Amino acid sequence: DTEVTQTPKHLVMGMTNKKSLKCEQHMGHRAMYWYKQKAKKPPELMFVYSYEKLSINESVPSRFSPECPNSSLLNLHLHALQPEDSALYLCASRADREEGYTFGSGTRLTVV
Amino acid sequence: DAKTTQPPSMDCAEGRAANLPCNHSTISGNEYVYWYRQIHSQGPQYIIHGLKNNETNEMASLIITEDRKSSTLILPHATLRDTAVYYCIVRVFERQGGKLIFGQGTELSVKP
Repeated sequence: DTEVTQTPKHLVMGMTNKKSLKCEQHMGHRAMYWYKQKAKKPPELMFVYSYEKLSINESVPSRFSPECPNSSLLNLHLHALQPEDSALYLCASRADREEGYTFGSGTRLTVV
Repeated sequence: DAKTTQPPSMDCAEGRAANLPCNHSTISGNEYVYWYRQIHSQGPQYIIHGLKNNETNEMASLIITEDRKSSTLILPHATLRDTAVYYCIVRVFERQGGKLIFGQGTELSVKP
């Protein structure tokens, strides 16, 4: 299995809702990432997990809460989002060497 | 991470070589050059990376100048399916997660 799987592919949520995005990989990669991408812009790094511990938080608002329950799974919990948080949320993973990152196809989030 | 500069857009005729330039004049000795591409609304796809030497794989070739201040990604026979945004990134290899920071990229249009 050489893929990063993200679910759901599309999500519409209200500003008072709580939802979660899921990311899964079975490549044995020990670093996992969340990125946010607005339309016509490059992906922006949000969080980095290394060996299941949060190693980098790029000053992301607390309404985004990451979780890494095990080495294969990464979640992003969403609460009280704003319409401007609507974006493509990308997950990536990387093996513990200088090779490339593997990205999932993303979750298209719309906040209404 | 060192900053990269890429032209915002380029055109290429189908079947011809596409040569995508990237300037990274502040690159340090231990920073790698990575290339990714992103086809509309999909996750970024790893293409190739290198440190000092030129590299080639089944997708592309990477030419890095001797002073390492610039590089060129070469798609030898561009097809319509190569139409995408191409990102040149420099990053330090780190065991513990590390960051992959995207620049603005080059939007490549392959035309019939």
